[in-house]
Amino acid sequence: DAKTTQPNSMESNEEEPVHLPCNHSTISGTDYIHWYRQLPSQGPEYVIHGLTSNVNNRMASLAIAEDRKSSTLILHRATLRDAAVYYCILRDFGGGADGLTFGKGTHLIIQP
Amino acid sequence: DAGVIQSPRHEVTEMGQEVTLRCKPISGHDYLFWYRQTMMRGLELLIYFNNNVPIDDSGMPEDRFSAKMPNASFSTLKIQPSEPRDSAVYFCASSLRGTGRNEQFFGPGTRLTVL
Repeated sequence: DAKTTQPNSMESNEEEPVHLPCNHSTISGTDYIHWYRQLPSQGPEYVIHGLTSNVNNRMASLAIAEDRKSSTLILHRATLRDAAVYYCILRDFGGGADGLTFGKGTHLIIQP
Repeated sequence: DAGVIQSPRHEVTEMGQEVTLRCKPISGHDYLFWYRQTMMRGLELLIYFNNNVPIDDSGMPEDRFSAKMPNASFSTLKIQPSEPRDSAVYFCASSLRGTGRNEQFFGPGTRLTVL
């Protein structure tokens, strides 16, 4: 399976934008880029996903590099509630129903 | 919708005892997944079902672990006998294929402590 690399932790201030990077240099043409996050003492939750084009939803934006070897999850205005571990996960288009392979993720700390 | 429901939320047991964790997926979802989270190994997939049939159990650590899905609205993960190294948070998740993004919805987890 293609691997992803994320920083162990990042820190940001409340109400400022946050850019969470993910490297996936061995991504294949059929891999979707998914992001999940896990708030303290909760199960993971879906954030966003994309294939080639940048994507926006109510939670975040996903910026995908032109060569697809990296991507960035953007939280436009972080709140204390966004403090969580963020996981970047590759999912093959054909195996979309398979289980998720979680790495260590990025622990996002939000300072008030 | 109530989301994925897991019970119990916390379980404390002694080594050697049988433990049964329960999961009710979101109604209409055809995939169900069991994950385990520990500090050492992070989140790892144990087994998943499609239409109540086990598809991949390669993540089940050993024969002490078993999972069943007798119907579309209920699944169990059983550990017999339990050992202290089984202490972890166990998550159940469900999804509906064909939605495009195949988002998995996770339950709140069961925190298992084996003494």
